[in-house]
Amino acid sequence: DGGITQSPKYLFRKEGQNVTLSCEQNLNHDAMYWYRQDPGQGLRLIYYSQIVNDFQKGDIAEGYSVSREKKESFPLTVTSAQKNPTAFYLCASSMGQGGYEQYFGPGTRLTVT
Amino acid sequence: EDQVTQSPEALRLQEGESSSLNCSYTVSGLRGLFWYRQDPGKGPEFLFTLYSAGEEKEKERLKATLTKKESFLHITAPKPEDSATYLCAVRGDSSYKLIFGSGTRLLVRP
Repeated sequence: DGGITQSPKYLFRKEGQNVTLSCEQNLNHDAMYWYRQDPGQGLRLIYYSQIVNDFQKGDIAEGYSVSREKKESFPLTVTSAQKNPTAFYLCASSMGQGGYEQYFGPGTRLTVT
Repeated sequence: EDQVTQSPEALRLQEGESSSLNCSYTVSGLRGLFWYRQDPGKGPEFLFTLYSAGEEKEKERLKATLTKKESFLHITAPKPEDSATYLCAVRGDSSYKLIFGSGTRLLVRP
């Protein structure tokens, strides 16, 4: 079955630690995205990638980093510089950037204490 | 600036009581309006894409419509399993990204 997988589903970290969230897709989509979702707010774009070895900052990229070494994979690192890292993180992919619907993974809930 | 506003924030319906959710938007050059369903603790599930005013799409008890300023998600004779948060998003000419509304939380009681 084609789809997007994110792991782990729940993640707990202490303040000051970097943590990497995994996102894999087997839909053969070119574009991949990372969003953050907080209660009562819309999804906010962190980073996106249109093609392997290329990515751009979204609206709230500070404190995050990404890589795109393979078409199927787009891991997100939440660094210690991110001031409010506790959130629900969603990965998505689409055929391309222009007007195409995005398909989402199941999400990772990160709690930092 | 592209913007999406969804109303109401929350909606409670009895099973079988039809209603509509609203998504108002401002965007320069609409490239697509997207509806998603999100269950608690899960990722959004894609429902519809609408591209131009007058377009309509249906799926089971859901029907999405589009005008130049807003979109409606009509729910006909809802069932408890339709309970979820419904998200609306737009993409315009000026930007690559989707702009999401805050969603409408729908609760359908048996």
